[in-house]
Amino acid sequence: RKEVEQDPGPFNVPEGATVAFNCTYSNSASQSFFWYRQDCRKEPKLLMSVYSSGNEDGRFTAQLNRASQYISLLIRDSKLSDSATYLCVVHQAGTALIFGKGTTLSVSS
Amino acid sequence: ETGVTQSPTHLIKTRGQQVTLRCSSQSGHNTVSWYQQALGQGPQFIFQYYREEENGRGNFPPRFSGLQFPNYSSELNVNALELDDSALYLCASSPEISEEAFFGQGTRLTVV
Repeated sequence: RKEVEQDPGPFNVPEGATVAFNCTYSNSASQSFFWYRQDCRKEPKLLMSVYSSGNEDGRFTAQLNRASQYISLLIRDSKLSDSATYLCVVHQAGTALIFGKGTTLSVSS
Repeated sequence: ETGVTQSPTHLIKTRGQQVTLRCSSQSGHNTVSWYQQALGQGPQFIFQYYREEENGRGNFPPRFSGLQFPNYSSELNVNALELDDSALYLCASSPEISEEAFFGQGTRLTVV
């Protein structure tokens, strides 16, 4: 079982749609959780951290369920510029980041 | 921009050759991690350096080696290159081990 598993993509949605990405992780000792965004042939960039209480940043909402070892990202009112690959990332103390395979989002007009 | 710079940006090598990739970490960052990202995959952890010492290693063979210098810049060396080593190699630096990582733009290595 992979340490971090994400929804298979790609997701193709029209502008204005709401889209949700899911992710599960296998190591219950994981302490920090993130969503990164990666544009084609570019480096990953932090989109947002994920907390058990949930957090929101504009159109983006992230949720963490530690009991189920499940992380989600919700994007509301999708924009063309949201088209990218979204990487679910977990971090265990004293180690480096563990990335999921990524889910590709394509928003069309 | 993150302040993390990698060189070169692109590189073509022949199978069996050796390659050295370089990473200059962001000012004030003492932790550098290296990742390999094959096409269509997420980044895979190679190893991490903290204050010039290796602080963890992923599932990569010994022909992948590295070091970190006193100024916290880092090198990744790959010996006996194989075709499957073709990938984007990413360097990320952090102020400390458990803090947010900032990525460089990567080095795209092609092995032919």
